Amino acid sequence: DAGITQSPRHKVTETGTPVTLRCHQTENHRYMYWYRQDPGHGLRLIHYSYGVKDTDKGEVSDGYSVSRSKTEDFLLTLESATSSQTSVYFCAISADFNYGYTFGSGTRLTVV
Amino acid sequence: ILNVEQSPQSLHVQEGDSTNFTCSFPSSNFYALHWYRWETAKSPEALFVMTLNGDEKKKGRISATLNTKEGYSYLYIKGSQPEDSATYLCASNFGNEKLTFGTGTRLTIIP
Repeated sequence: DAGITQSPRHKVTETGTPVTLRCHQTENHRYMYWYRQDPGHGLRLIHYSYGVKDTDKGEVSDGYSVSRSKTEDFLLTLESATSSQTSVYFCAISADFNYGYTFGSGTRLTVV
Repeated sequence: ILNVEQSPQSLHVQEGDSTNFTCSFPSSNFYALHWYRWETAKSPEALFVMTLNGDEKKKGRISATLNTKEGYSYLYIKGSQPEDSATYLCASNFGNEKLTFGTGTRLTIIP
């Protein structure tokens, strides 16, 4: 999607290894979000950021950490990946929290 | 946890017919209601963001209404076309910065 990119697009990793997913935006939007998508659950918020170095937890934050050292980048880290973290991860950005979100293309993560 | 409920879960509609589906949300602390369209193998795309009771929004053949007092929103598609096949998500943020999504209505248009 224009203005937001996620990397990598696909990743397979082993249980217990650390993994970092990157979200990069060129829109200079204040808000950035990480969601995971699982069958039967829809999109669930992991963490979000409302500015550089300002982050907060979502409903499924256990096992995940985030960092935002500059406006354009929001990193999601799985400190020690587990099979339950196999999912599709979406990053989203918005200018304000009552504006529509723009989503990235997603990262499919498989933990084996 | 505040829940956003969508119904039906899935829907099959003949091409050319009109259809609608529902999003229900807690009416207390309401701030905004979002609708997204999500095609298979793509990312969700924003359709509408509504904030005021009685809001109506329209984009081509798709429109939405909002009732914040009773906590529901309807999405309407007029004259369904095959390209309308997608999952339609609604979401609300209940006065804070966290958007809570429903699980979606999967719409299939039958040619």
